[in-house]
Amino acid sequence: EPEVTQTPSHQVTQMGQEVILRCVPISNHLYFYWYRQILGQKVEFLVSFYNNEISEKSEIFDDQFSVERPDGSNFTLKIRSTKLEDSAMYFCASSFQGIANEKLFFGSGTQLSVL
Amino acid sequence: KQEVTQIPAALSVPEGENLVLNCSFTDSAIYNLQWFRQDPGKGLTSLLLIQSSQREQTSGRLNASLDKSSGRSTLYIAASQPGDSATYLCAVTNTGKLIFGQGTTLQVKP
Repeated sequence: EPEVTQTPSHQVTQMGQEVILRCVPISNHLYFYWYRQILGQKVEFLVSFYNNEISEKSEIFDDQFSVERPDGSNFTLKIRSTKLEDSAMYFCASSFQGIANEKLFFGSGTQLSVL
Repeated sequence: KQEVTQIPAALSVPEGENLVLNCSFTDSAIYNLQWFRQDPGKGLTSLLLIQSSQREQTSGRLNASLDKSSGRSTLYIAASQPGDSATYLCAVTNTGKLIFGQGTTLQVKP
């Protein structure tokens, strides 16, 4: 069965450094998402992306965050200057149709630790 | 603002029991509701998707119901097995995003 792939599985960085989290969505999917889960808290939405532009973003997704689909297969989340509170599990997800019509397929996540 | 709540937070049952997990949401204007399974340190696996016009969905030993007017959903697991041990999350869609509950952590003892 096709799956969403995320790399790396773990990322440790120093506060203030830039990180790029990478995702390869399912190949024929058109909608892409980033969610995160801080330890012990709910999974929360960051951003959705369709047709090469952001379709919706949360309050968390401030100017420190950006997303890109640099080629036909990858989808990246960049955090420009990491803070301690950015430590979380980051999940990429994709779907063929929009979220109102079908289930999302999630990757296994990247655990980001900011020291 | 949509809020999703799951009860109980944790549940421990002996193998073979039937069990019910509960999910409630505050805003009934949803497109759909999904139940996910999360294993420790792993991603989220979608188990069932119920559209707002539907009342229930079934997959194997799992049955999910939706009562949109009362803002409730249940996930019924029949004949539980140790392999069912995981955290179960419900999530609703009422704009372009999923809003998750905090999950119910299930332990099925052999």
